Amino acid sequence: AQSVSQHNHHVILSEAASLELGCNYSYGGTVNLFWYVQYPGQHLQLLLKYFSGDPLVKGIKGFEAEFIKSKFSFNLRKPSVQWSDTAEYFCAVKGNTPLVFGKGTRLSVIA
Amino acid sequence: DTGVSQDPRHKITKRGQNVTFRCDPISEHNRLYWYRQTLGQGPEFLTYFQNEAQLEKSRLLSDRFSAERPKGSFSTLEIQRTEQGDSAMYLCASSLGAGTANTEAFFGQGTRLTVV
Repeated sequence: AQSVSQHNHHVILSEAASLELGCNYSYGGTVNLFWYVQYPGQHLQLLLKYFSGDPLVKGIKGFEAEFIKSKFSFNLRKPSVQWSDTAEYFCAVKGNTPLVFGKGTRLSVIA
Repeated sequence: DTGVSQDPRHKITKRGQNVTFRCDPISEHNRLYWYRQTLGQGPEFLTYFQNEAQLEKSRLLSDRFSAERPKGSFSTLEIQRTEQGDSAMYLCASSLGAGTANTEAFFGQGTRLTVV
């Protein structure tokens, strides 16, 4: 069965700091990988996705993620965060079952 | 708005009552998913449909829960004899078919259930 582990429960950063949120998954087969974001009071929105090809994928709002197959990881990065990035971030994996989500990382960006 | 629509947005019910939620997926999407999200957790899979066929049910979906998608369009999720532990956000998502290029799921805003 697939599972997803997100390393950080709550991350607090100052504006302009760099961000990296960890995500590891367990599944031996071919996977599709996703990062979703949930802004306060809003629905889950897709930030970026990896299906195949270039392991470095770029998403919306300056986010990117790198798939490292040997480490079963799909970490999310952003070089310089903004206050508006305050949200909850969920890593998700799809193997042979519907999407399985991690528990999420709450990002708080302070001025 | 052509996204995934859920109704109602909020539901407060007394323990023991039955509740039903509705989800309208994106029109051309043939897959529809139900998830449940509690505070501090990620969404947990409940069940999904390919058109009108219910293809998979999680062990989280006790026999008090039933989901239908009778015409392959909208879906309903019913909870019978609600318990306080059923309090959660119920999320619906939809996607195109089974090919790897089409597995992106679009989520609705959810129905928040509070059982008192």
